[in-house]
Amino acid sequence: GNSVTQMEGPVTLSEEAFLTINCTYTATGYPSLFWYVQYPGEGLQLLLKATKADDKGSNKGFEATYRKETTSFHLEKGSVQVSDSAVYFCALGGEKLTFGTGTRLTIIP
Amino acid sequence: NAGVTQTPKFRILKIGQSMTLQCTQDMNHNYMYWYRQDPGMGLKLIYYSVGAGITDKGEVPNGYNVSRSTTEDFPLRLELAAPSQTSVYFCASSYGTNQPQHFGDGTRLSIL
Repeated sequence: GNSVTQMEGPVTLSEEAFLTINCTYTATGYPSLFWYVQYPGEGLQLLLKATKADDKGSNKGFEATYRKETTSFHLEKGSVQVSDSAVYFCALGGEKLTFGTGTRLTIIP
Repeated sequence: NAGVTQTPKFRILKIGQSMTLQCTQDMNHNYMYWYRQDPGMGLKLIYYSVGAGITDKGEVPNGYNVSRSTTEDFPLRLELAAPSQTSVYFCASSYGTNQPQHFGDGTRLSIL
């Protein structure tokens, strides 16, 4: 069946550092891939998506590329800000989304 | 745009009580979902629906019931509340398979 393995946290970085959160998946077919962000006390918000191999999703300075050959969808940002502190979830598409366990990111000034 | 609206936002129940968590969406989405999120944990799917009149179990359906009489509404019913059901409950909707889900702000439920 489908599964998502996500980098365990928590992750703590200094402001302006480079961010990578790893996500790999196992799937049949060609599902879409998503990254969601959850700020404290809020619901999940779609951050970015990619619908086919080699697609790059991007939003708010975050990027992720759908890599079929490595079955990965790693989230990256070149320079993080304190406001990026949140929990990030990788998800695999289908009739039901398959979510990773989430990675808590804290950015310190 | 309202999107996905959940009510109430907070609720405290006593053990054995029942309640219904309301969820409505105004995006004409066919698919709707209920999740629970325990503190510091990921999401667990309780029930989902692919259209009015159709519901199916997720990974943790015990102790809950749902109905889907309209496209817009997908209420979640807790019967005989137990402390293990203390959690944050999220409702979500999507156009269909392989589409992004849109989430409500959640209902924070404590059972004492």
